[in-house]
Amino acid sequence: DAGVIQSPRHEVTEMGQEVTLRCKPISGHNSLFWYRQTMMRGLELLIYFNNNVPIDDSGMPEDRFSAKMPNASFSTLKIQPSEPRDSAVYFCASSSTGGTEAFFGQGTRLTVV
Amino acid sequence: SQQGEEDPQALSIQEGENATMNCSYKTSINNLQWYRQNSGRGLVHLILIRSNEREKHSGRLRVTLDTSKKSSSLLITASRAADTASYFCAIETSGSRLTFGEGTQLTVNP
Repeated sequence: DAGVIQSPRHEVTEMGQEVTLRCKPISGHNSLFWYRQTMMRGLELLIYFNNNVPIDDSGMPEDRFSAKMPNASFSTLKIQPSEPRDSAVYFCASSSTGGTEAFFGQGTRLTVV
Repeated sequence: SQQGEEDPQALSIQEGENATMNCSYKTSINNLQWYRQNSGRGLVHLILIRSNEREKHSGRLRVTLDTSKKSSSLLITASRAADTASYFCAIETSGSRLTFGEGTQLTVNP
């Protein structure tokens, strides 16, 4: 398996634009996590899914953020409209079940100017 | 806060020395995990210790867990320059929720 695949690796966009980050988890994994990492706030859990169902989205900063998992092999994190303070590295991770390790993608570095 | 908190925030040692990092948390956990992150890369899992375990070893890594004190430690023995990275503890709580601390930046000087 190629591991967790995130795209794009880098995204530069203007304030107010819509941004969509994509994640393909490892086949057979049924938990998927979205994290945001910044120097100021560390690694924040934004939302996670079990069996494609959102379980906890309390970490989503505000209504501008939304996440979907239409099937077991694909998830998106959308920011609309984007703001400069959204600039961060966004990670997707997946795991097979509770009690096992999570595998991380390489992240998407988002810059909003 | 549910997430773990590591200390120290930064640690600088000489090659060959041991490095110890600590993690504290405030809630009941299913397990506690340690991850490593090299600059600009994703996190890589190192070791997982379940709530009913007290100590676990993997190569040069030793992890302890004290659920009564809600704390864990990661010991890296005989450190190498290649161990230079950020180390994070993560706690898994109910519903498979996995949250991370702010990490310890370890620098191993050759």
